[in-house]
Amino acid sequence: DTGVSQDPRHKITKRGQNVTFRCDPISEHNRLYWYRQTLGQGPEFLTYFQNEAQLEKSRLLSDRFSAERPKGSFSTLEIQRTEQGDSAMYLCASSPPTAQETQYFGPGTRLLVL
Amino acid sequence: AQTVTQSQPEMSVQEAETVTLSCTYDTSENNYYLFWYKQPPSRQMILVIRQEAYKQQNATENRFSVNFQKAAKSFSLKISDSQLGDTAMYFCAFMKPNSGYALNFGKGTSLLVTP
Repeated sequence: DTGVSQDPRHKITKRGQNVTFRCDPISEHNRLYWYRQTLGQGPEFLTYFQNEAQLEKSRLLSDRFSAERPKGSFSTLEIQRTEQGDSAMYLCASSPPTAQETQYFGPGTRLLVL
Repeated sequence: AQTVTQSQPEMSVQEAETVTLSCTYDTSENNYYLFWYKQPPSRQMILVIRQEAYKQQNATENRFSVNFQKAAKSFSLKISDSQLGDTAMYFCAFMKPNSGYALNFGKGTSLLVTP
């Protein structure tokens, strides 16, 4: 088991560009979560999937953000028309069906919007 | 909404000593989970310990233990025999099972273990 992986690990983009991040959860984990962490803060929940269904979205997830998990395996998080305020670490986590309350985190994607 | 408060932004402890990190939370729920996560510098978040609210017994994982006071809504983490590798940000987190198991984190405590 290789753990939760995220790609890319770092992304620098210019304001107004679109970016997409990928998360590969631990095999057999049916739940997948996205969080955002800004400097000096704890992670904030963005959205989660159970299998391929997106079941909850935070009000932090503006209409410029979209997340998918088309086959219930990997997930993508896209940010359109990036803004400087989007600069943050984007964390992905997954949890198994037998222990839904235990989330395993990936290393994160650090986004810098210039 | 649930709020999680960590009142100690930074702490330091000498190697082999014991340190306690504080966490309080606010909820009207009776059934929930509490967690401590560790985030070493430039490394990923790792679960340290968890506590189910319905369990009165405090959770313990090797050198890590919690003091769970449900009525006071307090959930402190004690690290015994501190090691240099314990240097990290420590986040307290709350979870309501019926809210999709989303974690609600505090702002964190930066712990430095010195030789």
